Amino acid sequence: KAGVTQTPRYLIKTRGQQVTLSCSPISGHRSVSWYQQTPGQGLQFLFEYFSETQRNKGNFPGRFSGRQFSNSRSEMNVSTLELGDSALYLCASTRTGTGGGELFFGEGSRLTVL
Amino acid sequence: GESVGLHLPTLSVQEGDNSIINCAYSNSASDYFIWYKQESGKGPQFIIDIRSNMDKRQGQRVTVLLNKTVKHLSLQIAATQPGDSAVYFCAEDTGNQFYFGTGTSLTVIP
Repeated sequence: KAGVTQTPRYLIKTRGQQVTLSCSPISGHRSVSWYQQTPGQGLQFLFEYFSETQRNKGNFPGRFSGRQFSNSRSEMNVSTLELGDSALYLCASTRTGTGGGELFFGEGSRLTVL
Repeated sequence: GESVGLHLPTLSVQEGDNSIINCAYSNSASDYFIWYKQESGKGPQFIIDIRSNMDKRQGQRVTVLLNKTVKHLSLQIAATQPGDSAVYFCAEDTGNQFYFGTGTSLTVIP
């Protein structure tokens, strides 16, 4: 079956702009979580959505937001971009979220902020 | 364990040798663990998982060992191949959130 799909794969933005990233989970998976990966910090948890509700949230500023649709697809948005937001943004899906087993990742969206 | 970033450990092995990659986790209540492989420019790829009621699980060329007493995980790769070169990291499920280790960079020398 198809894996986790993220779009776009690469994008370049300038400071102050906003960006929206999209994630389609594996069919049947209702939990979608987002992570920021940088060389200096590794994988940092942003938030998790389950059945259109944010269930958990990491320690990121309010400029980072997300949502989930009824078909489990999710989007995350970063407003007022800063240089430090340059990172690989990864989406992962599971059937039920933490405690529910295997967490599968997409290939990520590589964001560069100039 | 919980990601603390910073320096990435490295491991170099000769092709055909066995590799052992270690990970310390932080939460004694974590009951599910996953090993991932991440190649350059790609997303993390699920390798193998283990639940806390087990201490060993085997896959194809890979074995995960869990020592709950010292909160330690290891990934053993048998007959390491050049295609195994990647960053490997562990993840622990605390029931509330997944936490990830910083990873180990494995280089296989042909």
